[in-house]
Amino acid sequence: NAGVTQTPKFQVLKTGQSMTLQCAQDMNHNSMYWYRQDPGMGLRLIYYSASEGTTDKGEVPNGYNVSRLNKREFSLRLESAAPSQTSVYFCASRGLPGQSSYNEQFFGPGTRLTVL
Amino acid sequence: ELKVEQNPLFLSMQEGKNYTIYCNYSTTSDRLYWYRQDPGKSLESLFVLLSNGAVKQEGRLMASLDTKARLSTLHITAAVHDLSATYFCAVDASKTSYDKVIFGPGTSLSVIP
Repeated sequence: NAGVTQTPKFQVLKTGQSMTLQCAQDMNHNSMYWYRQDPGMGLRLIYYSASEGTTDKGEVPNGYNVSRLNKREFSLRLESAAPSQTSVYFCASRGLPGQSSYNEQFFGPGTRLTVL
Repeated sequence: ELKVEQNPLFLSMQEGKNYTIYCNYSTTSDRLYWYRQDPGKSLESLFVLLSNGAVKQEGRLMASLDTKARLSTLHITAAVHDLSATYFCAVDASKTSYDKVIFGPGTSLSVIP
């Protein structure tokens, strides 16, 4: 099993450009999450999806859109990138309540994004 | 809205010493996680605490949860250099917002000889 995979690993954008960060998991998990990590601020939740077809806003959703394409994939889109979106982005997943895989979030390796 | 705080945010400690990291949260939850992150790496799960009074131990780390006080602690015993990392607590907010998990700001731990 690959676990949670993210592409790309690194990306440099110019202000105003758009891009989509991809996340996929092969653990048959229901819930998926997007976080951003900035120095001194921990991980902040951007959007999450409790199941296929549903998405909810987290703490910092402005400037982002998400798509839960199917059970495996959860993408994060920046429509018009801004320097304030320079960050490390992590995707995570977990299973259903009652399953042992509900007891932790499984994280991908992260995408390092720089917006100039 | 759920807020999660950690203190201290930075901790420099000598090898062999003991110390405790605190995690406070602002709303009802009965599920709390501790993670470790090494520089440039992803997060590694350490503990999940599922009920009031839960205590988990692994090596030199011990975590506990007091849901009434909305407080979790991560205790480090006889620190060694390999424990240098950033430690995050994360709180499951599912009682108020289904499936939401919110992280604290992290505690950057440096263990010096």
